[in-house]
Amino acid sequence: DIQLTQSPSFLSASVGDRVTITCRASQGISSYLAWYQQKPGKAPKLLIYAASTLQSGVPSRFSGSGSGTEFTLTISSLQPEDFATYYCQQLNSYPRGIFTFGPGTKVDIK
Amino acid sequence: EVQLVESGGGLVQPGGSLRLSCAASGFTFSSYWMSWVRQAPGKGLEWVANIKQDGSEKYYVDSVKGRFTISRDNAKNSLYLQMNSLRAEDTAVYYCARLSVDFWSGTSYYYMDVWGKGTTVTVSS
Repeated sequence: DIQLTQSPSFLSASVGDRVTITCRASQGISSYLAWYQQKPGKAPKLLIYAASTLQSGVPSRFSGSGSGTEFTLTISSLQPEDFATYYCQQLNSYPRGIFTFGPGTKVDIK
Repeated sequence: EVQLVESGGGLVQPGGSLRLSCAASGFTFSSYWMSWVRQAPGKGLEWVANIKQDGSEKYYVDSVKGRFTISRDNAKNSLYLQMNSLRAEDTAVYYCARLSVDFWSGTSYYYMDVWGKGTTVTVSS
């Protein structure tokens, strides 16, 4: 099965900072990758799918890039509401349909 | 409003069973793959199971194979997760999620775009 790693696992940043999170897959997954944001006690929220497509309603300061085995989520100017945990997910395993998540990156206030 | 509402969680002893439900509204439930995702206390997200629109295909994470069964009733707009032989490590918040798909150049890109608020399952004696 495909494994995902994320780096860093924890990130301390200030409002206005540019933040980049990396997700690496154990084998090539083309662009079959999504990014989610989760705040404590809340359900995850889809930010990006197909590696770089911004979900409707998500602010344009979020962007995604990459293909194959290395992907990045970038927040161009961190806002107070962006402090959360971010997860990548691979959705390449159809028809087996096994959609693994990465371990998460927590973005905290510096 | 597009909505998913989970129910059925609770406290159960190791070895016991529980059936989770997820009620869908605001969209054509029968047109979508659906998923269960869980999150153990203080841990990350773990995909649990997927089911095709007509229930003909089902997929599970290895740790629940043979113990959990995903199913759906399109007439009732409902998704289910039957959990048997529960273990302490199954303790988690369980979310149901809608799997949407975009088609580009003959390629299908899936993503989980609608999530419920979750239901908590605690396995303990």
